[in-house]
Amino acid sequence: QKEVEQDPGPLSVPEGAIVSLNCTYSNSAFQYFMWYRQYSRKGPELLMYTYSSGNKEDGRFTAQVDKSSKYISLFIRDSQPSDSATYLCAMSTDSGGGADGLTFGKGTHLIIQP
Amino acid sequence: KAGVTQTPRYLIKTRGQQVTLSCSPISGHRSVSWYQQTPGQGLQFLFEYFSETQRNKGNFPGRFSGRQFSNSRSEMNVSTLELGDSALYLCASSWTPGPYYEQYFGPGTRLTVT
Repeated sequence: QKEVEQDPGPLSVPEGAIVSLNCTYSNSAFQYFMWYRQYSRKGPELLMYTYSSGNKEDGRFTAQVDKSSKYISLFIRDSQPSDSATYLCAMSTDSGGGADGLTFGKGTHLIIQP
Repeated sequence: KAGVTQTPRYLIKTRGQQVTLSCSPISGHRSVSWYQQTPGQGLQFLFEYFSETQRNKGNFPGRFSGRQFSNSRSEMNVSTLELGDSALYLCASSWTPGPYYEQYFGPGTRLTVT
């Protein structure tokens, strides 16, 4: 079993819909959770960064962490065609610079239909 | 401000050869991390350098090595290339080996091994 599981998709939704992206993980030591967006032929770009359980909102994006269920989510409201990309979840036992680095999901390919 | 640059962007090599990839971090950044991204395994941490010293290393064979120069530029080398080394190699830079939210990724080098 992989440490982080993420449905690769593709996930196709109409413009304006609410998008829900999810990851599950097995390592209960993970404390820091991130979501990255990666456009084709580009490197990942950090979208959301959360520590421990709870919700965090930034504009149209909301990140949720449920450590008891080992489940994290990213919600995108009022989705736009420009949101079409691959979304990667990532997590770590430390805030940065630790021995383990980041553990990534394989990414979900999201398509927003105009 | 210029972002992280990686050269070359695309590379084709033959099995058994070796390859060197280059990463120039954002000006002022002294920490460089390398990742391998494949469809099968996703994004995996290779190693991290800070002040010309390797701080951490992921679970990769000794064929994968790297170094960092005094100007913070970093190179990674893969010797005796195998077909499975075909991947997108990403580097990320930050001021110090600190929080992941301060880490910025480059566009990657696409390596194809035939």
